[in-house]
Amino acid sequence: DGGITQSPKYLFRKEGQNVTLSCEQNLNHDAMYWYRQDPGQGLRLIYYSQIVNDFQKGDIAEGYSVSREKKESFPLTVTSAQKNPTAFYLCASSPRDRANEQFFGPGTRLTVL
Amino acid sequence: GDSVTQMEGPVTLSEEAFLTINCTYTATGYPSLFWYVQYPGEGLQLLLKATKADDKGSNKGFEATYRKETTSFHLEKGSVQVSDSAVYFCALSDQRSQGNLIFGKGTKLSVKP
Repeated sequence: DGGITQSPKYLFRKEGQNVTLSCEQNLNHDAMYWYRQDPGQGLRLIYYSQIVNDFQKGDIAEGYSVSREKKESFPLTVTSAQKNPTAFYLCASSPRDRANEQFFGPGTRLTVL
Repeated sequence: GDSVTQMEGPVTLSEEAFLTINCTYTATGYPSLFWYVQYPGEGLQLLLKATKADDKGSNKGFEATYRKETTSFHLEKGSVQVSDSAVYFCALSDQRSQGNLIFGKGTKLSVKP
């Protein structure tokens, strides 16, 4: 079955540690996205990538980094510079020419202790 | 900039009640409009969309009509079920956002038996 997988579903880290969230898709989509979701805030775009080896900052990129070495994979690193990293992180993908038809993964809930 | 405003929740209804969730938008161009649904603990799923004025999107008994004159895209369902309990997000996409989605803050719906 085609889809997007995110792992793990729950992640705990100590303050000051970097952590990498996984996102893999087998939909053959060119574009991939990372969003952060906080209660009452909706979704905010962190980074997006429209093609392999290229990515752009979204609205709240500070304290995060990404890579796009393969079409299927778009890992997100939450660095120690992110001031409030505890949140629900959602990955999505879309065909490059239909950026608004996004398919979402199940999300990773990150808690920094 | 472009933005989406949704009615604040939570909305609590009894089974078989009529549902309306209001959504208005601000955009300089002619955006496409979307409703996404997020069931507990999951990612978002596209529920319906409309790409031009007076279009009606529909899916699973839900409907929304693109009203350019009132810049609105209200979500309606004639008879809700307990299984409709979820968070609903209104979103827009246009050239100014480079095709990326701009989300409202979400409205939580709880349907009681």
